[in-house]
Amino acid sequence: KAGVTQTPRYLIKTRGQQVTLSCSPISGHRSVSWYQQTPGQGLQFLFEYFSETQRNKGNFPGRFSGRQFSNSRSEMNVSTLELGDSALYLCASSLAGMANEKLFFGSGTQLSVL
Amino acid sequence: QKEVEQDPGPLSVPEGAIVSLNCTYSNSAFQYFMWYRQYSRKGPELLMYTYSSGNKEDGRFTAQVDKSSKYISLFIRDSQPSDSATYLCAMSVMVGGNQFYFGTGTSLTVIP
Repeated sequence: KAGVTQTPRYLIKTRGQQVTLSCSPISGHRSVSWYQQTPGQGLQFLFEYFSETQRNKGNFPGRFSGRQFSNSRSEMNVSTLELGDSALYLCASSLAGMANEKLFFGSGTQLSVL
Repeated sequence: QKEVEQDPGPLSVPEGAIVSLNCTYSNSAFQYFMWYRQYSRKGPELLMYTYSSGNKEDGRFTAQVDKSSKYISLFIRDSQPSDSATYLCAMSVMVGGNQFYFGTGTSLTVIP
């Protein structure tokens, strides 16, 4: 079974631009979560989608948004990029998005904002 | 104060040593406790999962949860160079959805 796939692996953008990241979950998984990972803050929860609906949201500004499609694939968008948005963005999938389920992570998208 | 605190290390040990990794937390509602391992340029992968307090053993790995002290530990016995990675603790509450709170990770190097 294929794992969680994130594209692209690397992105370089400039301040003010916007970016869209993509995540394909493991087949059969309906929950997709997004996390931001930085050296100082570690992994921070952005949001979780289940059956095309955002079910949980972390403490990030509205510039961070996402969506999930009917095939469970998810996209994350960041508008008006800031230098502080440079981070590794990780997507994780699970079967039903319950607290006792194993999360399967992709290898992430490394975003650099110049 | 962050909800989950973890010493970032780095930690360097000789091969065969016993490694102890720890996290503390502030939210008494946390019920699910996990340890993830993350290799360089890879996403985290689940190592151990524990519900509520107690110990769980899996091969060379032992996870301990002390809810009264809000303290969790991961022990690695007979450490191997392949254990060199960043170890992240994570925890979650028992509600719908799986919002996890992660520690910042401890970088471990096992020297042959």
